Amino acid sequence: AQSVAQPEDQVNVAEGNPLTVKCTYSVSGNPYLFWYVQYPNRGLQFLLKYITGDNLVKGSYGFEAEFNKSQTSFHLKKPSALVSDSALYFCAVKLESSGSARQLTFGSGTQLTVLP
Amino acid sequence: DTGVSQDPRHKITKRGQNVTFRCDPISEHNRLYWYRQTLGQGPEFLTYFQNEAQLEKSRLLSDRFSAERPKGSFSTLEIQRTEQGDSAMYLCASSLISAMGEQYFGPGTRLTVT
Repeated sequence: AQSVAQPEDQVNVAEGNPLTVKCTYSVSGNPYLFWYVQYPNRGLQFLLKYITGDNLVKGSYGFEAEFNKSQTSFHLKKPSALVSDSALYFCAVKLESSGSARQLTFGSGTQLTVLP
Repeated sequence: DTGVSQDPRHKITKRGQNVTFRCDPISEHNRLYWYRQTLGQGPEFLTYFQNEAQLEKSRLLSDRFSAERPKGSFSTLEIQRTEQGDSAMYLCASSLISAMGEQYFGPGTRLTVT
């Protein structure tokens, strides 16, 4: 079975400061890892994914994430936070070769608040 | 707008009634997924289609739930004899087979069972 943990329900950061939203995963195989963002009254939006290759993945809106296989982590980062980054962030995983399991398994989400 | 659309956006129903939701995926996407999201949780997988074939169903999908994608385009999710525990946001997503997991989500249908 695959699972995702987001240990922080809430992250607060001041505008202009770097931000990190944590994610750890558990799979029995090679993972595909994703970050999605959810704004109020809008659907989940894809931010970035790790499939293979470089452990540092760059995505939309200046976000990046670092895949760490030994720590089974995929933390989301941004060098300088904006107030408009305030939203609910979800980490998700699927197996590289998941047979019939095509779905994403999501974490419980982290509410990011960027304070002006 | 060529994204995933869902209808209705909100549905209030009384316990025991049947409800049906519709999802229109991005037109060239072969795969369509249904998820359920409750407050404070991430989306949970319900079922998915590849073209018109329903290939997988979660254990969360009880016998009261049924989904169809009759022509490999739009999909419907029906809940029969609704219960208060069915209250949730129902999300639809679509993807290409080659997308390696990247899915595009609709805005969701919020169901409230009174």
